[in-house]
Amino acid sequence: GNSVTQMEGPVTLSEEAFLTINCTYTATGYPSLFWYVQYPGEGLQLLLKATKADDKGSNKGFEATYRKETTSFHLEKGSVQVSDSAVYFCALLEIDDKIIFGKGTRLHILP
Amino acid sequence: DAGITQSPRHKVTETGTPVTLRCHQTENHRYMYWYRQDPGHGLRLIHYSYGVKDTDKGEVSDGYSVSRSKTEDFLLTLESATSSQTSVYFCAIRSLGGTNTEAFFGQGTRLTVV
Repeated sequence: GNSVTQMEGPVTLSEEAFLTINCTYTATGYPSLFWYVQYPGEGLQLLLKATKADDKGSNKGFEATYRKETTSFHLEKGSVQVSDSAVYFCALLEIDDKIIFGKGTRLHILP
Repeated sequence: DAGITQSPRHKVTETGTPVTLRCHQTENHRYMYWYRQDPGHGLRLIHYSYGVKDTDKGEVSDGYSVSRSKTEDFLLTLESATSSQTSVYFCAIRSLGGTNTEAFFGQGTRLTVV
């Protein structure tokens, strides 16, 4: 079946550091890809999305590019802030309308 | 905020008792989903619905049933709760629109089975 694999956490960075969270997927066809963020005690919020190959999703300084050739959708941010501390989930939308999530990556940003 | 409400927000129940969690939406979205979130497992799909009375299983459906008798409500039932079903449960909704539509999540229900 389809699956999403993302890097294990926690990831700890200093403020203003560069962030990369890796995400790779296995899927039939060309699924839509998403990054969600979860702040403590809350539900998931959509961070960005890409629906076809080479699309770049971006929001709040975060970016991810849909790479069909490497089946990847890595999340990046050039300069992280303390307020970015959260859990980040990579996800894909299957052809049968199921949404499959990775296990999540916890991010800690130190001031 | 997307119009999605989960109830109850917290519940403690005893092993062997039935439990029903409710997800209510005001967006008239076609798709509704139930997930559970556990440490080390991320979010796992329990069941989902693609319309009234149309539901399908996810990857961890054993021990759970669902019903959707009207567009706005999606109920998740644990027929006989077990300690392994202690978890945080999230409902999500998604509109019809092909692959360009994302899911919106509720605030979650924390269920403890003792």
